[in-house]
Amino acid sequence: GEDVEQSLFLSVREGDSSVINCTYTDSSSTYLYWYKQEPGAGLQLLTYIFSNMDMKQDQRLTVLLNKKDKHLSLRIADTQTGDSAIYFCAETDNDYKLSFGAGTTVTVRA
Amino acid sequence: DTAVSQTPKYLVTQMGNDKSIKCEQNLGHDTMYWYKQDSKKFLKIMFSYNNKELIINETVPNRFSPKSPDKAHLNLHINSLELGDSAVYFCASSQDLGAQHFGDGTRLSIL
Repeated sequence: GEDVEQSLFLSVREGDSSVINCTYTDSSSTYLYWYKQEPGAGLQLLTYIFSNMDMKQDQRLTVLLNKKDKHLSLRIADTQTGDSAIYFCAETDNDYKLSFGAGTTVTVRA
Repeated sequence: DTAVSQTPKYLVTQMGNDKSIKCEQNLGHDTMYWYKQDSKKFLKIMFSYNNKELIINETVPNRFSPKSPDKAHLNLHINSLELGDSAVYFCASSQDLGAQHFGDGTRLSIL
């Protein structure tokens, strides 16, 4: 999406940490989301963070939000082959419209 | 016990035909959406209904007509299909402004 930007590709070794970055332009964003899309499948909601939070951790996933820089990241600890997918960052500014980034394709190599 | 289910999963048809995609959610949500994902994986919202009322109608050709018979269903009818309509169409639902949950998508191919 034009308002949300992500790098397109990330290659990571199995067992290492992955960090996927996202920047957005809407300063009134209220919720920011990470979705995962495996090949041929739908979008799976991974996690989300409210704009008044800096960090959220959920098992292997850590979301960091720098609201001043409008920067969001998703860290996946101990990356596994099953983590190979496209990861989408998305934001909403308290309306019903989700704006998505173009997606980051994560490839996990042995 | 699928939360958001779409049918069909695959749809292959000729240019000029009319087709429908159906979506049902059993999450008890009050808001449903249609998104289009193009060949570059870019996702863009098309429509949204809240309690059967249209609340989002993006710049979409009027060949596309959504219909929401009740809160749990949102169907998408497409008239006079064109080559550029080939894409994956995703249905989603949310409770008001909460997180959106997506279906598995309908892969539409126009011959």
